[in-house]
Amino acid sequence: AQKVTQAQTEISVVEKEDVTLDCVYETRDTTYYLFWYKQPPSGELVFLIRRNSFDEQNEISGRYSWNFQKSTSSFNFTITASQVVDSAVYFCALSANQAGTALIFGKGTTLSVSS
Amino acid sequence: EAQVTQNPRYLITVTGKKLTVTCSQNMNHEYMSWYRQDPGLGLRQIYYSMNVEVTDKGDVPEGYKVSRKEKRNFPLILESPSPNQTSLYFCASSSYRVSRGDTQYFGPGTRLTVL
Repeated sequence: AQKVTQAQTEISVVEKEDVTLDCVYETRDTTYYLFWYKQPPSGELVFLIRRNSFDEQNEISGRYSWNFQKSTSSFNFTITASQVVDSAVYFCALSANQAGTALIFGKGTTLSVSS
Repeated sequence: EAQVTQNPRYLITVTGKKLTVTCSQNMNHEYMSWYRQDPGLGLRQIYYSMNVEVTDKGDVPEGYKVSRKEKRNFPLILESPSPNQTSLYFCASSSYRVSRGDTQYFGPGTRLTVL
C-alpha cells in the first residue's frame, strides 16, 4: 500500500525560529518520487521540491532544506528562520508505479508563524 | 507564463443544477487530473486523462464526468450536484505519468458549495 503520513497536524512558531515538518512514507516500489507542496491561505498548491528514490542527497534552497532518509522512509522539510509569509499548509506527496496516476498526499501540516 | 487555469474560482449552486468547471493548461502537457480536497481527507483524485479522448477514473469518480477533446482543456462536469460534492477542486497537469516522476502543476482551485 502507498501511504504518506504527516503526523504533525498543526505547528505554531514565532518568527525567526527554525521548524521541521515531518513526512513518513510507505511504498513497496523501489523507484518512487517524493514531493512537497505549499498551500498558502489563498488556497493554491505551490510545488516546492521533487526527490527520486535514488537520490538521498539533502537539498537546500534558500531558507528551505529537505532531508531524505530511505532507512527511515522519511522526507522531512526544514524552514530556517521562519517568516510570517511561511504560514501555510504543507503537503508531502508520493508517486510510485503502484500508486498509478495519482499523487498520494499526506493530510498536511498547518504551519502558523507569528511575528 | 506556464500555468494551469480554472474557472470559476468560487461557485455556489443548488442541488441538481448541472455545472462545469473548466481547466486549461498552456504547457502542452499530456496528463491532466482532477482532485478534490476535503478537511481531514486530504487530496483525492477524481479522474485523470492520459491524452486527448483518453480518460479514466481515479479514487472518487462517483457523481463526476470529464472530457478531453483538446489537449489543453479538461473540464469537470457535475451533472446533478449534491451537497456532499461541496469541496475545493484542483486541476493538475504533467508532461507524463506522475509514477514516472513528473511534477504535477496545480491550478488555483475552485471552491464549490452545493446547497
